[in-house]
This record gives sequence, C-alpha cells and structure tokens, in this order.
Amino acid sequence: DIVMTQSPDSLAVSLGERATINCKSSHSVLYRSNSKNYLAWYQQKPGQPPKLLIYWASTRESGVPDRFSGSGSGTDFTLTISSLQAEDVAVYYCHQYYSTPLTFGQGTKLEIK
Amino acid sequence: EVQLLESGGGLVQPGGSLRLSCAASGFTFSSYAMSWVRQAPGKGLEWVSTITRSAGSTYYADSVKGRFTISRDDSGNTLFLQMNSLRAEDTAVYYCAKRYFDWLSHADYWGRGTLVTVSS
Repeated sequence: DIVMTQSPDSLAVSLGERATINCKSSHSVLYRSNSKNYLAWYQQKPGQPPKLLIYWASTRESGVPDRFSGSGSGTDFTLTISSLQAEDVAVYYCHQYYSTPLTFGQGTKLEIK
Repeated sequence: EVQLLESGGGLVQPGGSLRLSCAASGFTFSSYAMSWVRQAPGKGLEWVSTITRSAGSTYYADSVKGRFTISRDDSGNTLFLQMNSLRAEDTAVYYCAKRYFDWLSHADYWGRGTLVTVSS
C-alpha cells in the first residue's frame, strides 16, 4: 500500500500570509508512460464533503481560486495557498490514485493565527 | 450540474446489513467509474471501493473485502454499496464520489454523504 504522510498535522497562518502543506508518498506516484503524477488535493470544511482543489499534482480544478497551487513530483508534493483568506480555514488532504488501495494523507488542519 | 445523493444509512446492530444507494444526475453516469469513500467521526478519509465503467471491475479496501459489494445500475443512474457483517469500526459517513474518468483518476464530485452507525 502507498502510505501518504502530510506535514504538519496542523498549521496556523495569519490572514494574507502564505500557507504551505507537504505530502510525501511511500512510493512514487508518477506514471512514466504519461508523465503524470497521480496526486490530488482536497479541501474539507466542517459538515461538508471534500472539495477537489488540485489534480495531476498541479492542475487547478475549474473555479478554484488561483491562490491555490500544487507542485512536486514522484514522492514529494506541496499545496500552497499564496495569501490566506478566512474562508480557507479547513482540513486539507492529499490523495494518491496511482494504485489500489487508493489512499489519503491523514489531513492537515489549517487555522487563522 | 453534477449531483450525487446518497441514501440508506442508519443505525444497525453489529453483524447486520445495510444497502447504500447513490442517485446520480447531471452527467452520463455509465461513462465514469464511481467510488465509495468513508469518514469515521472526527477522522480522516478512507477509500472503500471503486467500480469501473460498465462494472467491468471492482476494487475494495482490505478492511471491507468479502463483506461489502459495490454495484451499479447504469439504466437507473444509481450506485450501490451492499454492506454485510457490519462492525463497530464501519461507523462512518459514507460518501459517493464520481471519478474523473476511469478507476485510476481523481474524484471530482462528491455527494453530501450518509451516516452509518453500527452499535448495539
């Protein structure tokens, strides 16, 4: 199984500042045949289902504000929020869909400092 | 607009069974793989099962293999999860999720979930 490990578990950032969440996979999620990283990022607010932010590690989903960006390849990935807004308070999950069992990181709780 | 509406959750005793349904609309249901993902109270996300387009293949987490069965009715645009031999650790909100294309793709739309509580 591919284990996804996020860091930190929780993060407090001031409004307008940058927030960075890291995700490390125990096995590469890069498919050589198409050069795609099978890695997505989700945002989940209390009482709501997860919302897709980023897929293929760096492609922003339609309608997601451009302050959200994803980077990385192979086993190391980052979600960056360039200028934190109040509505960004949530738990963020990375997710690999390279192989079954599909797995998620443990989540990172993002709060306002 | 893509909509996924789960139903069928509730309180069940250990060892009991439940059948979850997910009614899909707003897209060509038969063209996409579908998944169930669950979230225990206060915990993270756990993938449960995926079914490919045309129900050609099914995949399960080890924790539910042999107890849960995923299926789909493309004529009725509905996804199912038959859950047998339920355990306390199966207590969770169960989300239905549409995959972007086939089984190894990201989930782009999620339902609001249905709560399953396994308790005596």
